[in-house]
Formats: sequence, C-alpha cells, structure tokens
Amino acid sequence: SQKIEQNSEALNIQEGKTATLTCNYTNYSPAYLQWYRQDPGRGPVFLLLIRENEKEKRKERLKVTFDTTLKQSLFHITASQPADSATYLCALGSNYGQNFVFGPGTRLSVLP
Amino acid sequence: DAGVIQSPRHEVTEMGQEVTLRCKPISGHNSLFWYRQTMMRGLELLIYFNNNVPIDDSGMPEDRFSAKMPNASFSTLKIQPSEPRDSAVYFCASSPMDRAEETQYFGPGTRLLVL
Repeated sequence: SQKIEQNSEALNIQEGKTATLTCNYTNYSPAYLQWYRQDPGRGPVFLLLIRENEKEKRKERLKVTFDTTLKQSLFHITASQPADSATYLCALGSNYGQNFVFGPGTRLSVLP
Repeated sequence: DAGVIQSPRHEVTEMGQEVTLRCKPISGHNSLFWYRQTMMRGLELLIYFNNNVPIDDSGMPEDRFSAKMPNASFSTLKIQPSEPRDSAVYFCASSPMDRAEETQYFGPGTRLLVL
C-alpha cells in the first residue's frame, strides 16, 4: 500500500538557519507533490507545488526539490524565522485529485 | 471571498447521536473534499466530489458515515450513530480543479467530540 513518511515528527532549529524537511514515499508514482503549512487550530494552507518532471521550485525563502528516483522531496526554508514555526505536510497526487494523500507532517519550531 | 465555510466549529455529542457537519465551498470551485484529522492517523481523505458527484469514497470508514452534495455550494457529512472513536477534527476543502494538480483550499475545520 502507499506510504508517505516525513523525516521526523518534530524539528527544532535556530533562527536564521535553513530548515530542511523530508518527504519520502513508497508504492506510489505521483504526478505531483505539494507542501502545505498547518498552524494549530487551523486548516492546512498550500505553499508550493512541484510536478514529476520538475527538479526544483522556489518561492521567496522556500525551495522544494523532487527526486522521483529516490522517491523523495526536500523542503527548505532559508533564513528561518520564529513565524515559520508550524506543522508542514507533504501531499502527493495523481492527476485531477485522484489518489491524493497527505504525509503525517513535521512540526517545525524555530527558536529565537 | 470568504473562503471555505464550515459549521459548526465545535460539536460535543453523546455516543449514539447523529452528527451533521456542513460545508460551503469557495464559489466557482467544482471539487470538494472531506478529511478527518487525528493525532494517531493524521489527515485522512474521506470522500471527494467533482461537480457534485462522489468520485472516491474509499476513505469513508464505515456505513455510519455518509456524505452528500446536493448542489455546488453545499455539502454535508453525517455520522449516525456516532461513536467516541469518531472524535477528530473534520476538514472540508475545495478546489477549482481547472488543472490536473490543482491545490486545495481548506476550511477552518469542525472539532468533534463524542462522549
């Protein structure tokens, strides 16, 4: 069955450093991968999307890579800030929302 | 736009009672998703509608759960009878699904506690 793992349940880093979160998957060939941010008591909010034929995407301080050979995505937040503290979820999907699955999430804490 | 609207925001009920959760998607979005989130199981897709038609309900846990989408602006998720293990946060999300990998916009969730 499909399985998605995210590196660790929680990650603590110092303000100003780069946070790197990992999303690994098995038994799946996704057409795309998305990253969401979820704050306590709120629904997930979309951050970035990367397609299977793309290697890297950037948006401001965020960068996502996608390696379909390794079946892995890396999510980087550069120059991290305490406001970046949240849970980050990766999600995989086939075209038009089919087989859309979320990972368990990584809770990131950026310490001042 | 007000975003995805869910009601109620909180629901406390007793085991055996019927629970109805409501969702109003973003206007113009043609896909709607119901999710359940717990600490143990994370975010699970329950059912997915496209143009008001259920496309994938394989995530619906059992016959006690049912979902309807009578029109493009309203959906319900019903649990009858409810059980303590149904306690979770239930999210509704909508998507324009104009592209194959369209993003989803989540509502604030309904926090359900079944005693």
